[in-house]
Amino acid sequence: QVQLVQSGAEVKKPGASVKVSCKASGYTFTSYGISWVRQAPGQGLEWMGWISAYNGNTNYAQKLQGRVTMTTDTSTSTAYMELRSLRSDDTAVYYCARRVRGARLIYYMDVWGKGTTVTVSS
Amino acid sequence: SYELTQPPSVSVSPGQTARITCSGDALPKKYAYWYQQKSGQAPVLVIYEDSKRPSGIPERFSGSSSGTMATLTISGAQVEDEADYYCYSTDSSGNPLFGGGTKLTVL
Repeated sequence: QVQLVQSGAEVKKPGASVKVSCKASGYTFTSYGISWVRQAPGQGLEWMGWISAYNGNTNYAQKLQGRVTMTTDTSTSTAYMELRSLRSDDTAVYYCARRVRGARLIYYMDVWGKGTTVTVSS
Repeated sequence: SYELTQPPSVSVSPGQTARITCSGDALPKKYAYWYQQKSGQAPVLVIYEDSKRPSGIPERFSGSSSGTMATLTISGAQVEDEADYYCYSTDSSGNPLFGGGTKLTVL
């Protein structure tokens, strides 16, 4: 079955960087993209961006431009999300999800990882 | 900026029908998707392309869309359906976004 397994929780100081991994299994990795979504404590879901596992194309949310980088390693079917210059308001659960092309050119997420908690605190 | 607007909360008794709405100006041309998120868990897709149900999702979950509003309906809501529900779509330029979420209480 399709599965996305994320790396463990992280605690970082303000100004540091964090890199979260997401290992895919159960499907052909390069046939889909990976989206990243985060959720601050008690808040809603925030789309961060996506990466094509086929060609590495990316699209990031405007508010994160310049601080986020998404990459993939097709040899291990793993996607990565790196966030730099961390602030306290980056404290959140970070999810990866398989990006699927739907009708009317809308891409959506059908299978999600369990999430990685990132805490930014001095 | 474009927004998808949901009511913050909906409350029903077990066995009643729960309806959660999502409004957005681009919805007449863009499909709506619905995610269920139970406390402490990752989101789960329950409706895609306005009204389609993924395999494994109970038949009591249905979706519809008319004009600028999409609706998730849970017919005969059960206690285990208590969760946060998020609609998802894109704006006219294709940028993805989520609604603010609706907390469904079944008691």
